[in-house]
Amino acid sequence: DVKVTQSSRYLVKRTGEKVFLECVQDMDHENMFWYRQDPGLGLRLIYFSYDVKMKEKGDIPEGYSVSREKKERFSLILESASTNQTSMYLCASSFEGRNEKLFFGSGTQLSVL
Amino acid sequence: QKEVEQNSGPLSVPEGAIASLNCTYSDRGSQSFFWYRQYSGKSPELIMFIYSNGDKEDGRFTAQLNKASQYVSLLIRDSQPSDSATYLCAVKGGNQFYFGTGTSLTVIP
Repeated sequence: DVKVTQSSRYLVKRTGEKVFLECVQDMDHENMFWYRQDPGLGLRLIYFSYDVKMKEKGDIPEGYSVSREKKERFSLILESASTNQTSMYLCASSFEGRNEKLFFGSGTQLSVL
Repeated sequence: QKEVEQNSGPLSVPEGAIASLNCTYSDRGSQSFFWYRQYSGKSPELIMFIYSNGDKEDGRFTAQLNKASQYVSLLIRDSQPSDSATYLCAVKGGNQFYFGTGTSLTVIP
């Protein structure tokens, strides 16, 4: 079974803190993604990566950065957390290829106070 | 912007009935189509995928794809209360996945 592991299920941080969300996949997937999910807005892509040390902006990259130093690990960084970044954060990964499927981690519910 | 549209619902069906969930997409170049089930507070779980026009069946689930009409649907036969969840339609173009906002399904015992 594909396993995408997110380091924290629930996280509470204060405004202005630097926040790291970690994601590890064990299937040697080339592609990794970070989404946030908010009620009524669906899944929105923050950043994605097709390879080590490579990153591409998604639809809502402002206020976020990412790091992919190893193929299996993709980190999302909130440089200075704000209350409007309170959300469910979902990491996902897939193989390269037109018919390859996307697999999600269990998600991190982040609350910024 | 590549659009994926779903009726947000809520859709309510009695136990044992057929639930029909629909999705349309804007990009004719889309290659692959997926259905995810998401329980409240949980992450999306892949339940069906379809790549070619026609029907694909897996147990109680049937995915239907019509590329000419840019339409994909999910049928759930013999609906069970455990099927109550939000169903997300996803469309793949290139290496990216585009999601609808989901349809909330409630199966009434």
